[in-house]
Amino acid sequence: DAMVIQNPRYQVTQFGKPVTLSCSQTLNHNVMYWYQQKSSQAPKLLFHYYDKDFNNEADTPDNFQSRRPNTSFCFLDIRSPGLGDAAMYLCATSRLAGLDTQYFGPGTRLTVL
Amino acid sequence: GIQVEQSPPDLILQEGANSTLRCNFSDSVNNLQWFHQNPWGQLINLFYIPSGTKQNGRLSATTVATERYSLLYISSSQTTDSGVYFCAVVGSNYQLIWGAGTKLIIKP
Repeated sequence: DAMVIQNPRYQVTQFGKPVTLSCSQTLNHNVMYWYQQKSSQAPKLLFHYYDKDFNNEADTPDNFQSRRPNTSFCFLDIRSPGLGDAAMYLCATSRLAGLDTQYFGPGTRLTVL
Repeated sequence: GIQVEQSPPDLILQEGANSTLRCNFSDSVNNLQWFHQNPWGQLINLFYIPSGTKQNGRLSATTVATERYSLLYISSSQTTDSGVYFCAVVGSNYQLIWGAGTKLIIKP
């Protein structure tokens, strides 16, 4: 049974054209995370929600925004994608922040033309 | 902040071989996790192991918190074990700090 679902799995967009990636979870976890992963690198945390509380990493560009309308869903909005934003975007969830296992979705691979 | 180092960076083995992956961290931690990222990008949590030893089938992990390292053992490797293995610890801001990973290739 899928626990963390990401859609779409592959997304192609044009330079500067806004794009939204979605994540849903069936685990009823409090925390949802968005990571960016570029080739041959470890995932990099962009931001996370603890319930409705939004926590932005200091070095996350303003170009990246997020919404969490309810417990199950979280969205990543890239307002004006640049070529450097091409990456794998991973959503994860955990019951608690920090002292708990994180469960990852399959990722969305974003291509920017 | 906490530094996480993994070794070796790359490992190529024949099917059936055993392997040991190492993760060193620079400060005491409350949470350490091992992940496997398959060639399609899916990250799978293998172990949540801040201390002690755990086993799951052919995989086992040991964390010696007082000496600031963790080991991941893979026995009787299969081609499906290929991928990147990441170690991650929780820092003071309760977020994961990742090692650079060990890329494992199992040849048939």
